[in-house]
Amino acid sequence: DAKTTQPPSMDCAEGRAANLPCNHSTISGNEYVYWYRQIHSQGPQYIIHGLKNNETNEMASLIITEDRKSSTLILPHATLRDTAVYYCILISSGSARQLTFGSGTQLTVLP
Amino acid sequence: GAVVSQHPSWVICKSGTSVKIECRSLDFQATTMFWYRQFPKQSLMLMATSNEGSKATYEQGVEKDKFLINHASLTLSTLTVTSAHPEDSSFYICSASGREAVSYEQYFGPGTRLTVT
Repeated sequence: DAKTTQPPSMDCAEGRAANLPCNHSTISGNEYVYWYRQIHSQGPQYIIHGLKNNETNEMASLIITEDRKSSTLILPHATLRDTAVYYCILISSGSARQLTFGSGTQLTVLP
Repeated sequence: GAVVSQHPSWVICKSGTSVKIECRSLDFQATTMFWYRQFPKQSLMLMATSNEGSKATYEQGVEKDKFLINHASLTLSTLTVTSAHPEDSSFYICSASGREAVSYEQYFGPGTRLTVT
């Protein structure tokens, strides 16, 4: 059972920022927040991850609340190619563990 | 870096035949590989976890005699669907985790679309 909660779907206008929320109220101290996305009929693609601090890379920004119980993935200028299912997943540090994928959020970028 | 490939990308087979899917880590040593299955409009479901040189650990409800997993080297894992039936038609995705500094990160393959007729 997934430990994260995400809205099932969101729309965003092309060129606008897409803000995807994720709740993880039972997160443990050694769990990182990872974001992946899956474009139709492809394998999941890593986007970004963080532990406590906000993170930014060439794809997105990740905002984690101070209590770490929720986070927001921000795509600053969404394009049509960003249409995908976005998954927020908790991963513990240490040895490899299987990932539990929830339902994710279907982001549709509209022209 | 951290590229995972799968072969074939899609395959069509007749009911009753067996199909082998390969998962390769191209630029790192994958000590652990995971196999997922995804049906249309559903999320990924873990099928099994394999560690190099060991027997795979299957999730509840996954038949180990039907879905044979071999992880004989640090760069290759194979999934063989034996005596395939139409209900085995699905999107199969592997992921790999290695000996890199961030050992718990996983890198996904592009997936294999299996259609059983």
